[in-house]
Amino acid sequence: EIVMTQSAATLSVSPGETATLSCRASQSVSTNVAWYQQKPGQAPRLLISGASTRATGVPARFIGSGSGTDFTLTIRSLQSEDFAVYYCQQNNTWSPYPFGQGTKLEIK
Amino acid sequence: QMQLVESGGGLVKPGGSLRLSCAASGVTFSEYYMSWVRQAPGKRLEWISYISGSGSAKYYADSVKGRFTISRDNAQNSLYLQMNSLRVEDTATYFCAHMHYGVLPDWGQGAPVTVSS
Repeated sequence: EIVMTQSAATLSVSPGETATLSCRASQSVSTNVAWYQQKPGQAPRLLISGASTRATGVPARFIGSGSGTDFTLTIRSLQSEDFAVYYCQQNNTWSPYPFGQGTKLEIK
Repeated sequence: QMQLVESGGGLVKPGGSLRLSCAASGVTFSEYYMSWVRQAPGKRLEWISYISGSGSAKYYADSVKGRFTISRDNAQNSLYLQMNSLRVEDTATYFCAHMHYGVLPDWGQGAPVTVSS
């Protein structure tokens, strides 16, 4: 079973700054990683698939990168609406498709 | 873009049953794989099941295998999750979602399920 681990439970960053969120897979998943944003009381929203492809309507300040086992979501020029919980998820092998435990991005 | 609306959540006793429904609109429903994902309070998302467009292929997480059944009615543009032998640890918000090559582009708003005596 593949395990996805997000290194930070909480990340405190100031508006206008850059946030870097990390995710590691327990074995190689190629570039089959997605990132989701979830705000309180809402369903998750797909941001990135294929490790680096932004979903429709996602601003260019959201940048995904990585391959193999290490992945990063970079959010540049943080806006107030970006403070939320972010989850990574692998879709390389059904084991089932696991999510990371989430990183809460909070205002510093 | 697919619009999804869940219903059927509620309070049930341990050992009881519940059936969740998910109504889809905006697309030709039969062309799409669909999934159920749940989230226990304060916990990570857990993908529990998915079904092919025709309904012929179904997959389950070990945590629900043998107790939950996913199904669909393409004529009614609906997805279902029959949950039997419910446990306290099944308490969660259940989301239906459109699945595209293992990624979830569209989600419903979620249906809360509480299993408690």
